Amino acid sequence: KAGVTQTPRYLIKTRGQQVTLSCSPISGHRSVSWYQQTPGQGLQFLFEYFSETQRNKGNFPGRFSGRQFSNSRSEMNVSTLELGDSALYLCASSLQGLFSDEQFFGPGTRLTVL
Amino acid sequence: AQTVTQSQPEMSVQEAETVTLSCTYDTSESDYYLFWYKQPPSRQMILVIRQEAYKQQNATENRFSVNFQKAAKSFSLKISDSQLGDAAMYFCAYGKGGGADGLTFGKGTHLIIQP
Repeated sequence: KAGVTQTPRYLIKTRGQQVTLSCSPISGHRSVSWYQQTPGQGLQFLFEYFSETQRNKGNFPGRFSGRQFSNSRSEMNVSTLELGDSALYLCASSLQGLFSDEQFFGPGTRLTVL
Repeated sequence: AQTVTQSQPEMSVQEAETVTLSCTYDTSESDYYLFWYKQPPSRQMILVIRQEAYKQQNATENRFSVNFQKAAKSFSLKISDSQLGDAAMYFCAYGKGGGADGLTFGKGTHLIIQP
């Protein structure tokens, strides 16, 4: 069974630009969660999508948005990039998004904002 | 809001020895899960072990076991017979029952295995 895949793996953008990251969950998984990982703040929850609906949201500004498609693939968009958005963005998929299910993480997308 | 604290930024252990990583958490919830994740350098985060709060029995997975002290809100990870492949960042995480709010992670402990 293929694992969680994220594309692209590396990305370099400049301040003010926008970026879209993609996450393909494990087949059959309907929940996709996104996390931001930085040296200073650690791992922080961005949002979770389940059956094409945002079900949970962390404490991030509105510049961070996402969506989920009918095949459960998810995209995350960051508009008006700031230097502080440089981070490793991880997605995780699970069957139902409950913590009784195991969450499987992707390899991440490393975003650098110059 | 729930918080997770890992007080050991770095730990070092000799190969084949036992090491314990500490984690404390704060929550007012009764239904929650606790996790230890491993993140090797430049590799994916993988689940090491999971504990349901309602279970009194400590979870074990081969060489990995936890000491779950619910009243003290403590959740330590013991790695027995440490191997070179155990070298990684270890993150303690908390998840509210039902999955709301995502996982709350500690800052991590960098585990070094000395050959």
